[in-house]
Amino acid sequence: AQTVTQSQPEMSVQEAETVTLSCTYDTSESDYYLFWYKQPPSRQMILVIRQEAYKQQNATENRFSVNFQKAAKSFSLKISDSQLGDAAMYFCAYRANSGNTGKLIFGQGTTLQVKP
Amino acid sequence: ETGVTQTPRHLVMGMTNKKSLKCEQHLGHNAMYWYKQSAKKPLELMFVYSLEERVENNSVPSRFSPECPNSSHLFLHLHTLQPEDSALYLCASSRKYSTDTQYFGPGTRLTVL
Repeated sequence: AQTVTQSQPEMSVQEAETVTLSCTYDTSESDYYLFWYKQPPSRQMILVIRQEAYKQQNATENRFSVNFQKAAKSFSLKISDSQLGDAAMYFCAYRANSGNTGKLIFGQGTTLQVKP
Repeated sequence: ETGVTQTPRHLVMGMTNKKSLKCEQHLGHNAMYWYKQSAKKPLELMFVYSLEERVENNSVPSRFSPECPNSSHLFLHLHTLQPEDSALYLCASSRKYSTDTQYFGPGTRLTVL
């Protein structure tokens, strides 16, 4: 069974600094997607970034980038130039791209605090 | 204007009440999902509808009953709930089932007394 693990329940970063959130996953599939979602206090789950497993190039969205290590089954999120609005809970998620399921498997989340 | 809306945002109900949660997506998507988010636990997929047909039902108790009258609306009917059902219920939609990114609504915070 696929699993997603976020080993950091809480992280903090100084405003304008860089922080990296860790995520590891376990799967026997070779074709899948990985996601980072952000959930601020408003509770809206917002897609931050998406990575397709067959793409070797790491995805980037403005200040957000990932370090995707397929062999190690690692998918970390780097936030550069952290802003106060980045404070939220961050979820790593996995979805197989084979079979007939849209099921997202989530990690337990990392709460990010941004200090002014 | 968010693409996925949910009402109500907060709901308090007794164990004998019957209530419904509503989700509406304005994105033209064909698949809709219900997730449960409990404290200290990962999000759990409850139900999936694709083109108004239920395609996944992940061992959810019968006191939760989903309904998808059309591809834009999804309901979760609640009856005879237990206090452990208190959680944040999130709705999501995607353009297609199984292959596309899911976009979430703001959730309904449910408290069962």
